[in-house]
Amino acid sequence: EVQLVESGGGLVQPGGSLRLSCAASGFTFSNYAMNWVRQAPGKGLEWVSVISVSGGTSYADSVKGRFTISRDNSKNTLYLQMNSLRAEDTAVYYCATEAPGYFQHWGQGTLVTVSS
Amino acid sequence: DIVMTQTPLSSPVTLGQPASISCRSGQSLVHSDGNTYLSWLQQRPGQPPRLLIYKISNRFSGVPDRFSGSGAGTDFTLKISRVEAEDVGVYYCMQATQFPYTFGQGTKLEIK
Repeated sequence: EVQLVESGGGLVQPGGSLRLSCAASGFTFSNYAMNWVRQAPGKGLEWVSVISVSGGTSYADSVKGRFTISRDNSKNTLYLQMNSLRAEDTAVYYCATEAPGYFQHWGQGTLVTVSS
Repeated sequence: DIVMTQTPLSSPVTLGQPASISCRSGQSLVHSDGNTYLSWLQQRPGQPPRLLIYKISNRFSGVPDRFSGSGAGTDFTLKISRVEAEDVGVYYCMQATQFPYTFGQGTKLEIK
């Protein structure tokens, strides 16, 4: 059974940093591109970032230069390093596996709250 | 960025009746590899999103056959043949043809 478990969310002050993790199991992690998607409270879904099988990355303009996606295939774990956090980054962050062009499996999400 | 526009934004439906959601993209979603990376996701209250349909019309594993997808180019439709109580939630279309990936605003399906 595919499992994706996010962790690392919490309350952080504006300008602060946080690192999210997504622990994967039940599939060959290194064979899949991985994405982060976020959802602000009461709002819709917003794609954040992707990392390919080969390590190539892409980011939404709203986080470019502040967030860094990475993966450790030896630990079956996806990461999102978030720096210079803003109030508008407050959201539930989901990780998701990607077959080319669609997100098959999603984690339960981890809540990030940016507030003083 | 490719803008995804869903209609309606809210859809009250009677149990057992059909429902339909439309999604229009701001430009063609046909990828250079020939595929159209348009998918549909369901988000039940308090739950993460769940993949229903990928590449326009392919049902994902475990998805009931009352869900179907159709369309081409810039116009796509999700249909539920007979709505059940468990179908309540928000439905999103999503394009992964071009970065940044983008989602529709969401359509809230509720029971009358």
